[in-house]
Amino acid sequence: QAVLTQPASLSASPGASASLTCTLRSDINVGTYRIYWYQQKPGSPPQYLLRYKSDSDKQQGSGVPSRFSGSKDASANAGILLISGLQSEDEADYYCMIWHSSAYVFGTGTKVTVL
Amino acid sequence: EVQLVESGGGLVQPGGSLRLSCAASGFTFSSFEMNWVRQAPGKGLEWVSYISGSGSTIYYADSVKGRFTVSRDNAKNSLYLQMNSLRAEDTAVYYCARVTVGNWGQGTLVTVSS
Repeated sequence: QAVLTQPASLSASPGASASLTCTLRSDINVGTYRIYWYQQKPGSPPQYLLRYKSDSDKQQGSGVPSRFSGSKDASANAGILLISGLQSEDEADYYCMIWHSSAYVFGTGTKVTVL
Repeated sequence: EVQLVESGGGLVQPGGSLRLSCAASGFTFSSFEMNWVRQAPGKGLEWVSYISGSGSTIYYADSVKGRFTVSRDNAKNSLYLQMNSLRAEDTAVYYCARVTVGNWGQGTLVTVSS
C-alpha cells in the first residue's frame, strides 16, 4: 500500500469547489504530519501551494490565492486541498507530500480537469 | 530572487555514470537542506535524495541507495548528484529543490538507453 494515495483524476466546472484528498497509509496518523501541496502544469516544475498541519501550523505559498486552502479529515486519515471558485488555469496535476521515515514522500497525484 | 539551475543531464548507456550539478543563488545556501527529486516521462514525482545544510546528514530513496551519491559545496553554492550504475528506469527529469519552501529548478533530463 502506498504511503500517500490520491485519486487519479477529478473533474469540476468553473466556479465550483474541488476537494482533493491525500490519504495516508493506515499505520501512520495524519495528525502528526505537515502536508505539503504542489501544483504542476505540463512542461513546468511543481509550484508550491501551501502546507498544512493544523490551523495554528500552516503556511500559504507566496502569491498563492486564498482560494487554495488546506485542511485534514482525521476520520479518513487524509489531508485535503480545497480549491474554491475553480478557474480554467487551475487545470493541472496536484501532488501532496510528507516527510516520513527520513524521506520525503509524494502522493500519486491527482489530475484536475476544469470542464 | 531564489534561483536553482541544474545541469549535467544527457544520454547515457545502461551501467554508465553521470554527474548532475545544481547552482543556487538568492539565499544562504549553507543554511538549508537540499533535495533531488525526479519525474519519469508521464509519471509522478519521486524524491531521490536529501542533504542537510552542512552536508552531515544524507538520505536516499531505496531505489537509488548504493548507486547515487549526493554532495554539496557550500563555498560554491552548489549541489551535486553522482549517479552510477544507471538503469533504464532512472530515465527522468531531475530537479534540485528546497521542497518545503517551494524552490525548484527547471530540471535536467537524464535518459538511460542503449
